[in-house]
Amino acid sequence: GAGVSQSPSNKVTEKGKDVELRCDPISGHTALYWYRQSLGQGLEFLIYFQGNSAPDKSGLPSDRFSAERTGGSVSTLTIQRTQQEDSAVYLCASSSTGIGQFFGPGTRLTVL
Amino acid sequence: GIQVEQSPPDLILQEGANSTLRCNFSDSVNNLQWFHQNPWGQLINLFYIPSGTKQNGRLSATTVATERYSLLYISSSQTTDSGVYFCAVERGYSTLTFGKGTMLLVSP
Repeated sequence: GAGVSQSPSNKVTEKGKDVELRCDPISGHTALYWYRQSLGQGLEFLIYFQGNSAPDKSGLPSDRFSAERTGGSVSTLTIQRTQQEDSAVYLCASSSTGIGQFFGPGTRLTVL
Repeated sequence: GIQVEQSPPDLILQEGANSTLRCNFSDSVNNLQWFHQNPWGQLINLFYIPSGTKQNGRLSATTVATERYSLLYISSSQTTDSGVYFCAVERGYSTLTFGKGTMLLVSP
């Protein structure tokens, strides 16, 4: 597609449930990134993929968070046993060398 | 890690005014980007500018990499320019580190 797409755009879940967030990067972009933005906070890095491998997972806040990327394209971010502090907007970005990162519209996650 | 400081934190302008937003960073970088986050939360790329000067319509940006700062100029501001402007830097071809942003409100 023309830009990075994410789904769902909004997700409301109950505390303790698992959620999956999806990102479709721009076609041909080899790098993919997940960030999150909590209310009133800046953007926090979560994980970075180059192809299907994740050389930098340093931003994942706990072992409840995991991500994978398949076929060098689509990525899913999974949060297990969600907590209220996981409520945030989860943003995905993709890039190719020398052009910078392009962001999707985000998934707004609300944990009740 | 690298530190990114943006100023001012908040800015209120009358439509038609010009403004300059600043981004200071603490170490050498291989990438610097400016983004506009609109009221719907979408991060819109403004400039990819690790060095030099670029212009796009009423917006322009300059990065002086040797002095570790970048400036974003908005001329003849419009109400649609309102939102949060983020500067973000990348060191080592991995993640972007964002500043806290400048919140801009342009009133009619």
